[in-house]
Order: sequence, then structure tokens, then C-alpha cells
Amino acid sequence: RKEVEQDPGPFNVPEGATVAFNCTYSNSASQSFFWYRQDCRKEPKLLMSVYSSGNEDGRFTAQLNRASQYISLLIRDSKLSDSATYLCVVRPSGGYNKLIFGAGTRLAVHP
Amino acid sequence: DGGITQSPKYLFRKEGQNVTLSCEQNLNHDAMYWYRQDPGQGLRLIYYSQIVNDFQKGDIAEGYSVSREKKESFPLTVTSAQKNPTAFYLCASNPGSGSYNEQFFGPGTRLTVL
Repeated sequence: RKEVEQDPGPFNVPEGATVAFNCTYSNSASQSFFWYRQDCRKEPKLLMSVYSSGNEDGRFTAQLNRASQYISLLIRDSKLSDSATYLCVVRPSGGYNKLIFGAGTRLAVHP
Repeated sequence: DGGITQSPKYLFRKEGQNVTLSCEQNLNHDAMYWYRQDPGQGLRLIYYSQIVNDFQKGDIAEGYSVSREKKESFPLTVTSAQKNPTAFYLCASNPGSGSYNEQFFGPGTRLTVL
């Protein structure tokens, strides 16, 4: 079983749609959680951290369910510029800042 | 501007040759990392360094070597022992210890073995 699993997609949605991505992780002792965005042939960039109480940043909402070892990302009012691959990232417990990356979910927003 | 630079952007290598990928950061970060990314897979950790003159193997270190002689520099050598080196290589850094430190990535080097 992969340490971080995501549906690879692609999710094809029209502009203005709401779309949700899910991610599961296997290490129950994981400490930190993130969503990164990666554009085609570019480096990943942090979209948002995910906090236990859930958090929102504009059109983006992240949720964490530790009991189910599940992370979600909700994008409202999708824009063409949201088209990218979204990487679920988990930091397990440990002595250094190791990150475990999911393979990503691809989103394509069309007019 | 602070950031991470990687060079070259594209690199072509013949089988049997060693190549060195450059990674430089001016963020004054202690920790630096090397990942490779293959199509349809998540990033996999090759080597990491938490402080100057110290580095550790990651999950897929075989066929790679690194050095960390300066805080700002963490070059990666892909040796001829690496069986399948064609991939997208990403260097990252972060300030150091801390629960919520994000990693900042360079623009990557795309290595192709001919």
C-alpha cells in the first residue's frame, strides 16, 4: 500500500464548478499535512497547509480527518488557472522534515 | 530575490557517464533535499542534508552521490551505477526543524539518458 494515495484523475470540470479531491495516508502518527500545486513541467509550490480544525484560503478549503487518515481539498468557483496537478503531502513523525508525496490528482478546468 | 536555482534546466547524458546537477539557495536555509519525479509517481527522496558537512540517504540513494560543503549549495551527482536515471530532478530547501515548515523547490532539471 502506498503511504499517500490519491485518485490520479483527471477531473475535467467547467469554469465555476466546485471540485473536491481526496487523499488517504497510511501512517497514523503523521504530524503535518499539505496540499501542493504543480503546473505541467514545473516545480511543486505550496498551496496550503492543512490544520486539524480545517482551514480556508479564498476559494480553497482543506479538511483533515485524523481518525480516518483522510485529507481533502475543495475548490469553489473553479478558474481556468486552477488547471494543474494537486499533490497531497504528509510529514510523518520523525527527526527531520521528511515529506511523503502522493502522485497527484490532475485537474483540467475548461471554458 | 531569494530562492533556489537549479542548473541546467535540461541535461542529456550518454549511458556510462556521470553528471552533476547544481542546486543553490540564498534563503539561508539549513536543510536541503533532492527528489526525483517520474511520470505518474510522487516525488521520491534521494538524499537530504540537515546541516553543512552532513547528509543522509533518502529512499532511493543507490547510484547517486551528494556533497554539502557550503550552506547554500547541494550538488547531486548521478553516476553510471544509476540504472534508470531519466527523470525530473527537484531540489528543495527549508529553514530546518519545525513541525510546519514547507519545502521550497527549485525549477528542476530534466535529465535524459540517450
